[in-house]
Amino acid sequence: DQQVKQNSPSLSVQEGRISILNCDYTNSMFDYFLWYKKYPAEGPTFLISISSIKDKNEDGRFTVFLNKSAKHLSLHIVPSQPGDSAVYFCAASASYGGSQGNLIFGKGTKLSVKP
Amino acid sequence: DVKVTQSSRYLVKRTGEKVFLECVQDMDHENMFWYRQDPGLGLRLIYFSYDVKMKEKGDIPEGYSVSREKKERFSLILESASTNQTSMYLCASSLIRPPWAQYFGPGTRLLVL
Repeated sequence: DQQVKQNSPSLSVQEGRISILNCDYTNSMFDYFLWYKKYPAEGPTFLISISSIKDKNEDGRFTVFLNKSAKHLSLHIVPSQPGDSAVYFCAASASYGGSQGNLIFGKGTKLSVKP
Repeated sequence: DVKVTQSSRYLVKRTGEKVFLECVQDMDHENMFWYRQDPGLGLRLIYFSYDVKMKEKGDIPEGYSVSREKKERFSLILESASTNQTSMYLCASSLIRPPWAQYFGPGTRLLVL
């Protein structure tokens, strides 16, 4: 059973517009959420994280929003650039419960930013 | 900057061969992980290690083993490679504190013929 779900396998956006990538989770024990970006034939790169005690975290063009009551988070990229075209993975972790440090990953969303 | 290196970018092996994939990190991270990535299946955890000589099974450990003799090095071993182990293998490391961010190596694309 998937604890972290990314329901959109792909997303296409025009350069300069906003990209919104979504992620849902089921485990209420998760207290940290992370986003990774992955280019083909490379390892994932850590982008941004958010703690469950916050509802927003910003880093340059990237903002992550967390809605705990809905068990939903989203990554906003503004403005989108062609170099942002990659697969984006959402991940979650629980600091307690014996598996701290392990990340549960979604299956990814492929973002294409068209010039 | 965290650096995680993997011994090979591309590897071709024959069915039944013993395969060693090595991973080295230079940031003194306690945790190390091995994943495989397959189209449509995302990242699946094979094994992880919290400390030297310690190992824990992940979600798909069958057909694999690991070794961690030194803190900076974590090896993945395919005892007898099979065609269904053709995949992209990713190593990662992390500190033992939130946000638990894992830093990945470039990956090894393994083809088993």
